[in-house]
Amino acid sequence: GAGVSQSPSNKVTEKGKDVELRCDPISGHTALYWYRQRLGQGLEFLIYFQGNSAPDKSGLPSDRFSAERTGESVSTLTIQRTQQEDSAVYLCASSERPKSSGANVLTFGAGSRLTVL
Amino acid sequence: AQSVTQPDIHITVSEGASLELRCNYSYGATPYLFWYVQSPGQGLQLLLKYFSGDTLVQGIKGFEAEFKRSQSSFNLRKPSVHWSDAAEYFCAVSGATNKLIFGTGTLLAVQP
Repeated sequence: GAGVSQSPSNKVTEKGKDVELRCDPISGHTALYWYRQRLGQGLEFLIYFQGNSAPDKSGLPSDRFSAERTGESVSTLTIQRTQQEDSAVYLCASSERPKSSGANVLTFGAGSRLTVL
Repeated sequence: AQSVTQPDIHITVSEGASLELRCNYSYGATPYLFWYVQSPGQGLQLLLKYFSGDTLVQGIKGFEAEFKRSQSSFNLRKPSVHWSDAAEYFCAVSGATNKLIFGTGTLLAVQP
């Protein structure tokens, strides 16, 4: 597609429920990232996928958080047993394979705003 | 591990005045540095990036940034601020892991 697409744009859930957030990257982008942005705070790295390599999960805050990506397409971020502290905007970004390590330019989606009551 | 510090949480400037937003990074090797802008209700947009070469880089919307290795800094500047520049600005660093790490952001307000 023309840009990174995320759904839902808004999600309100009750504490203890599971939620799934979806990200559709730009076609041809091999890398996909998930970030969390709490109100008034910066972007917190969660997970990074590059092609078929093992993902970098070093930013996932707890085992309630998981993400999957099939090949170089759609990714799903799942939060189990949601807590109020999980309320945030979850941002997805994608990039082409960088010509050298680190030289990756990310294009961000508009985000999924999660509110846990 | 790489990290980014943006010491100014909030800055207010008058329209037409010059602007400098500070960014300091920590990374053991040559960093890749970025500035992104997030306008209210919108996604993040890349302003500019430094990969190598000339340490003064030009970006969109009249912004520029200068990489100073000796100071581990990558400050963002604009000679004359417009009201539409009011937004939140994020500095970020990337390295061999391809993991882009962001600072906590600087919120810019522009007074008429």
